[in-house]
Amino acid sequence: KQEVTQIPAALSVPEGENLVLNCSFTDSAIYNLQWFRQDPGKGLTSLLLIQSSQREQTSGRLNASLDKSSGRSTLYIAASQPGDSATYLCAVGRAGTALIFGKGTTLSVSS
Amino acid sequence: DGGITQSPKYLFRKEGQNVTLSCEQNLNHDAMYWYRQDPGQGLRLIYYSQIVNDFQKGDIAEGYSVSREKKESFPLTVTSAQKNPTAFYLCASQPPGGTEAFFGQGTRLTVV
Repeated sequence: KQEVTQIPAALSVPEGENLVLNCSFTDSAIYNLQWFRQDPGKGLTSLLLIQSSQREQTSGRLNASLDKSSGRSTLYIAASQPGDSATYLCAVGRAGTALIFGKGTTLSVSS
Repeated sequence: DGGITQSPKYLFRKEGQNVTLSCEQNLNHDAMYWYRQDPGQGLRLIYYSQIVNDFQKGDIAEGYSVSREKKESFPLTVTSAQKNPTAFYLCASQPPGGTEAFFGQGTRLTVV
């Protein structure tokens, strides 16, 4: 059974720091991997989607990488800002089934 | 304005009562999903549907029921058999081919 783990569970950094969030999964037979952001009491906002054939995706200050063979993905956030404070969730997908989520990393960026 | 609409945003249920959470999408997506989120937890799958008139149980389907009579709609009923229904419920949809999934803003259900 696929399991998704996110480390660390919580992270506090000062504004301006570059940071890396980690996601690992146990079954490398995935179709894609998606990173989401969740603000308190809100739904999920999609940040980046990486297909299984891709190695990375970039959007603004965000860069996500995927190493399917080792079962790992990282989300790199450059020059963090207080507005980046949120919970970040990764999820892996297989064709014909639902996304499986990690428990998330709660990020706090102080000014 | 395309997207996924969940209603209501807040819902209160009395003991022994069934309640239905609405999820509507105008993205023309085939697949729809219901997840439950508890504090400090990730999202756990309740039910999912790949096509109209078909759905499958997820990891925590007991005490819940769904229907998929229209492509746009995937309502979730929390029955009285669900003993601990207080949680945040999220609905999602996804186009064919398993590409990017999109989520609604959630419904917070509280037992009173």
